[in-house]
Amino acid sequence: EVQLLQSGGGLIQPGGSLRLSCSASGFAFSSYAMNWVRQIPGKGLEWISTISGQGSNTYYAESVKGRFTISRDNSKTTLYLEMNSLRAEDTAVYFCAKSRIAGGTNWFHPWGQGTLVTVSS
Amino acid sequence: EIVLTQSPATLSLSPGERATLSCRASESISNYLAWYQQKPGQPPRLLIYDASNRVTGISARFSGSGSGTDFTLTINSLEPEDFAVYFCQHRSAWPWTFGQGTKVEI
Repeated sequence: EVQLLQSGGGLIQPGGSLRLSCSASGFAFSSYAMNWVRQIPGKGLEWISTISGQGSNTYYAESVKGRFTISRDNSKTTLYLEMNSLRAEDTAVYFCAKSRIAGGTNWFHPWGQGTLVTVSS
Repeated sequence: EIVLTQSPATLSLSPGERATLSCRASESISNYLAWYQQKPGQPPRLLIYDASNRVTGISARFSGSGSGTDFTLTINSLEPEDFAVYFCQHRSAWPWTFGQGTKVEI
């Protein structure tokens, strides 16, 4: 069974940094692209970043480009999102998600449970 | 970026009725569209991918159709557990975007 266990959220001041983790199990982690998607509580969904299976290709939404860095450690089957220069508008629930099939990028399936990041002074 | 517009925002129906949800893309996305279901306090769940393919384990009540710019999610004979928010998403080009969601309520 695929499991994605997220950690690392919390309250952070504007301008601060935070790292989210997504520990994966139940599948050949290095064969799958992985993703981060966020959701402002009560609002819609926003894709923010994708990384290829070997980590050689990364993609970012304009809203986080230059501030957030996606990475992965295939030996630890863990996905990361390093978030810097955080702003109030980054307050959201952050989900990690596995790509549906191995190989290239694909649909989000399944998703982690989500972790809340609150940016406030 | 490609904008996905979902309609209606809210759909009020009774169990046993059929729900028809629409997702319109601002430009052609071929069949690069998926549908997700989200219940309160839970992450989204993939239901339909590539416009019309049902994920393994998803009830046959759910079906997707469309291509190009107009897509539909149909839920036949609504069950109590189907009342939720539904999002469409494309992966035709970066950035991938989601529609704003349709809430199916009792």
